[in-house]
Amino acid sequence: KNEVEQSPQNLTAQEGEFITINCSYSVGISALHWLQQHPGGGIVSLFMLSSGKKKHGRLIATINIQEKHSSLHITASHPRDSAVYICAVTGNQFYFGTGTSLTVIP
Amino acid sequence: GAVVSQHPSWVICKSGTSVKIECRSLDFQATTMFWYRQFPKQSLMLMATSNEGSKATYEQGVEKDKFLINHASLTLSTLTVTSAHPEDSSFYICSARADRLWGYTFGSGTRLTVV
Repeated sequence: KNEVEQSPQNLTAQEGEFITINCSYSVGISALHWLQQHPGGGIVSLFMLSSGKKKHGRLIATINIQEKHSSLHITASHPRDSAVYICAVTGNQFYFGTGTSLTVIP
Repeated sequence: GAVVSQHPSWVICKSGTSVKIECRSLDFQATTMFWYRQFPKQSLMLMATSNEGSKATYEQGVEKDKFLINHASLTLSTLTVTSAHPEDSSFYICSARADRLWGYTFGSGTRLTVV
């Protein structure tokens, strides 16, 4: 069993839709990260969370420490949001989810 | 914001040769840098953690003699893939964290192909 589980693995949405990607983890953590990887491979760190909620533009990330669960929301999705979204946690070491491949169709 | 520059972006090399990948923090001092590899359709796998001025810490299963990591200054870490084999072909990416920063900054990655 992976220490970090993401769902869904693949997601296709129409432009403008509200999108949610979920992440559950089974280890003790000091922080949870949401990363965005574009087709060329480059990775951008979107959020680092240890509690509560963070918002940046159309992106919102929440974490529930008791339930060991985090969600990444994208409001008013756009084709340029198409990418792989990776959840990662840091505790004693790094653990990565396998990623959610998002495609937003115009 | 914090920027990490990684070079080269892609490299093709012959089996048996060595390849060096550089990761530089451009506007901050990176006391800690991380090296990852990623196989197609898979997520990142942490290979090693390098701390400036000390030996890198390798994850289980990563050969330290094959993947040489040097973090000689606060702005530069290098990964050298020695005696490369085709199975070393992968996407390698670094990230850095400075003590004063919250998050992690990633390099743009290096696609290595060994022929």
